[in-house]
Amino acid sequence: NAGVMQNPRHLVRRRGQEARLRCSPMKGHSHVYWYRQLPEEGLKFMVYLQKENIIDESGMPKERFSAEFPKEGPSILRIQQVVRGDSAAYFCASSPGRDVYGYTFGSGTRLTVV
Amino acid sequence: KQEVTQIPAALSVPEGENLVLNCSFTDSAIYNLQWFRQDPGKGLTSLLLIQSSQREQTSGRLNASLDKSSGRSTLYIAASQPGDSATYLCAVRNSNSGYALNFGKGTSLLVTP
Repeated sequence: NAGVMQNPRHLVRRRGQEARLRCSPMKGHSHVYWYRQLPEEGLKFMVYLQKENIIDESGMPKERFSAEFPKEGPSILRIQQVVRGDSAAYFCASSPGRDVYGYTFGSGTRLTVV
Repeated sequence: KQEVTQIPAALSVPEGENLVLNCSFTDSAIYNLQWFRQDPGKGLTSLLLIQSSQREQTSGRLNASLDKSSGRSTLYIAASQPGDSATYLCAVRNSNSGYALNFGKGTSLLVTP
């Protein structure tokens, strides 16, 4: 069981470029959560998705950020026109159901905007 | 809005000591509370989960307690080892506001040989 797989591990983008972060949940998990960890800050919830549905996006910035979890393939967190303030570690977690009892986190993607 | 605070921010102890990490939260209407460990450059490892109806959970040398009414949780680590060095995160899920975990900023623990 490979756990929650995130790639890439490290991503460098210039200001104005797009960043795409991928998350493959654990086998058997159909619920995905994205969190962001800014430098010197705690992890902040961004979005909760099930296959083909966004359940809760209350933590997503209103502009430039989007997330999807298609029927086939990984969940994607997309950041358009990145700015330096987007530099952070982005973590994905998955669970087999709505209850967070089964939360498993990936190792994260560290985004650096230069 | 749930605020989660962890004290101390950093802690250094010699190997073998017992230690306590503290977590406080402002809204007592919680669904559960979870302690995680984060190693540098790595993801989060779940250590203990306490449901709102429980008072404590134990796993090996770790014991977590929950006092919902006072908005506090403690993580007790017995007989600390250098391998325990990591950042410990407390996370609270509210009972009335969705699925998000509200994290503290963590306690960075260093256990010296």
